[in-house]
Amino acid sequence: SAVISQKPSRDICQRGTSLTIQCQVDSQVTMMFWYRQQPGQSLTLIATANQGSEATYESGFVIDKFPISRPNLTFSTLTVSNMSPEDSSIYLCSVGRYNEQFFGPGTRLTVL
Amino acid sequence: QQQVKQSPQSLIVQKGGISIINCAYENTAFDYFPWYQQFPGKGPALLIAIRPDVSEKKEGRFTISFNKSAKQFSLHIMDSQPGDSATYFCAARGSGGSNYKLTFGKGTLLTVNP
Repeated sequence: SAVISQKPSRDICQRGTSLTIQCQVDSQVTMMFWYRQQPGQSLTLIATANQGSEATYESGFVIDKFPISRPNLTFSTLTVSNMSPEDSSIYLCSVGRYNEQFFGPGTRLTVL
Repeated sequence: QQQVKQSPQSLIVQKGGISIINCAYENTAFDYFPWYQQFPGKGPALLIAIRPDVSEKKEGRFTISFNKSAKQFSLHIMDSQPGDSATYFCAARGSGGSNYKLTFGKGTLLTVNP
């Protein structure tokens, strides 16, 4: 499997602010992903974090709202910008390894 | 467009019983079908996965049954235990340029009563 850590584990933020979520993996991986899971809902892919190039965003998600960095093969960040209460969700980092996909513990975000 | 349909939405089973969760997919390009287990406050954990070249895969009390012609697959939990109470997600993944890009079902909340 893969050991994935995320920081922060949870946060409560004010409307209009931004939060950067960090994802650290125990060893190098090619594929890293960011998902959103709204309360009681399934997982929705936000983007694929590509090392050395711009992230690839899914339909409905844009770079200005969810900028992503991937400076190396073990680390990525997701920023949720100009937050609104609708951004309250769990944000999950995921990595691909051995042809399988593993998830981090998630960051629970509440926007007031 | 929901590409992976999962049912039931919730399921209550008595301890020792069999839990069955079903999924159906539409995209014939999918070639990998994992199941994830998620406890409250935790990230999804990979439980078991299958490829379409086999009809069944078993790991302990968990079994995936796969019907390629019907484009359906299911998770069976034998001798269900209260500790199995969690949300289960099926998923599907395509090949080639969609490597690792998973499409998830909506999830099934399983409750196993003692």
